[in-house]
Amino acid sequence: NAGVTQTPKFRVLKTGQSMTLLCAQDMNHEYMYWYRQDPGMGLRLIHYSVGEGTTAKGEVPDGYNVSRLKKQNFLLGLESAAPSQTSVYFCASSYKIPQYLDGYTFGSGTRLTVV
Amino acid sequence: DAKTTQPNSMESNEEEPVHLPCNHSTISGTDYIHWYRQLPSQGPEYVIHGLTSNVNNRMASLAIAEDRKSSTLILHRATLRDAAVYYCILRDPLNAGKSTFGDGTTLTVKP
Repeated sequence: NAGVTQTPKFRVLKTGQSMTLLCAQDMNHEYMYWYRQDPGMGLRLIHYSVGEGTTAKGEVPDGYNVSRLKKQNFLLGLESAAPSQTSVYFCASSYKIPQYLDGYTFGSGTRLTVV
Repeated sequence: DAKTTQPNSMESNEEEPVHLPCNHSTISGTDYIHWYRQLPSQGPEYVIHGLTSNVNNRMASLAIAEDRKSSTLILHRATLRDAAVYYCILRDPLNAGKSTFGDGTTLTVKP
């Protein structure tokens, strides 16, 4: 049982380049989330999804796009990377259980540097 | 989303109990209180959660105030491996279960 797998683990981009971060979960979770964490700070929600084919904006969505074509996968795209997007990106997933929410399961993160 | 407030840092001695406080004065009736911890260079790890009643699991205990405006994570015997950043967050099942993470409490455990 792998849980939440994020690829790649590390990446260096030049300003203006694009890339896609992949998050895959094998727990049949309905909800999936993308967070970013800047040094010494907490996590900020970028985008989230409550099910296949649906996505929504979080606190800091500008400069990012997402897609969830399959229930198990949640993709985060950067169309034109900027140095301000240098951060550690975490994907999380959880069940949707009416009136009861299990905890998030987080991936190990993708460390992205934009130069 | 309702916010939580935690002290920036706390210290504890090894093998002593630790009480990590969290204030959430604007909690709604449907918010669940969740705790996570994050070790260096790792993703956050779920610790415990509750709604109104106190909760225990193998990792910790969660004490929730009667008015639900504050809670306390209790580590019964701190070990060096418990040194981490601890986050208290609120999750609302009526709001896609999404949350706002604050800066958390950095717990230092001294041998």
